Amino acid sequence: DAKTTQPNSMESNEEEPVHLPCNHSTISGTDYIHWYRQLPSQGPEYVIHGLTSNVNNRMASLAIAEDRKSSTLILHRATLRDAAVYYCILRAETQGGSEKLVFGKGMKLTVNP
Amino acid sequence: DARVTQTPRHKVTEMGQEVTMRCQPILGHNTVFWYRQTMMQGLELLAYFRNRAPLDDSGMPKDRFSAEMPDATLATLKIQPSEPRDSAVYFCASGLEEVSPLHFGNGTRLTVT
Repeated sequence: DAKTTQPNSMESNEEEPVHLPCNHSTISGTDYIHWYRQLPSQGPEYVIHGLTSNVNNRMASLAIAEDRKSSTLILHRATLRDAAVYYCILRAETQGGSEKLVFGKGMKLTVNP
Repeated sequence: DARVTQTPRHKVTEMGQEVTMRCQPILGHNTVFWYRQTMMQGLELLAYFRNRAPLDDSGMPKDRFSAEMPDATLATLKIQPSEPRDSAVYFCASGLEEVSPLHFGNGTRLTVT
């Protein structure tokens, strides 16, 4: 499985932007970059995913480096509800469909009031 | 919003007993995943189904665990006999075959004494 590297933890302040980094130097051409997060006592929740171009949705933005070896999840205005463990995952898309989603250790985001 | 439903939410059982966990995937989804989460190991993939057929169960202890999809609306994970080391939160997730996010249930918290 292709690997990702994230910091163990980060802190941010409420109502400020947060940039969550992820390195994936061994990414292959068919790997999509997925982000999930897990709030306390809940199952993981999809945040965003992309292949090459930057992506935006109602939750966050995903900025992908030109060489695709790193990406950044951007929360434009952190709230207390954004405190969670964030997972950056590579998931290959093949002709037969998507492959399995393998979680790493993730990164704990703390949001200070 | 459509949700993945897992039952029971909590299960306490004695070592040696059979445990069955159930998952109702989102209607129309054709992939189902079972994960186990512990503090030590994080989120581990146990089994993965596409169109009700098992594609990968390499993460599952074969001697005591079994996963099935009797029909498209039900996935089951059984442990027989259960052991204290099986204590964990078990998550089910469903998705579409194409590039799409996985939707997770809220998990079954299993305690084996």
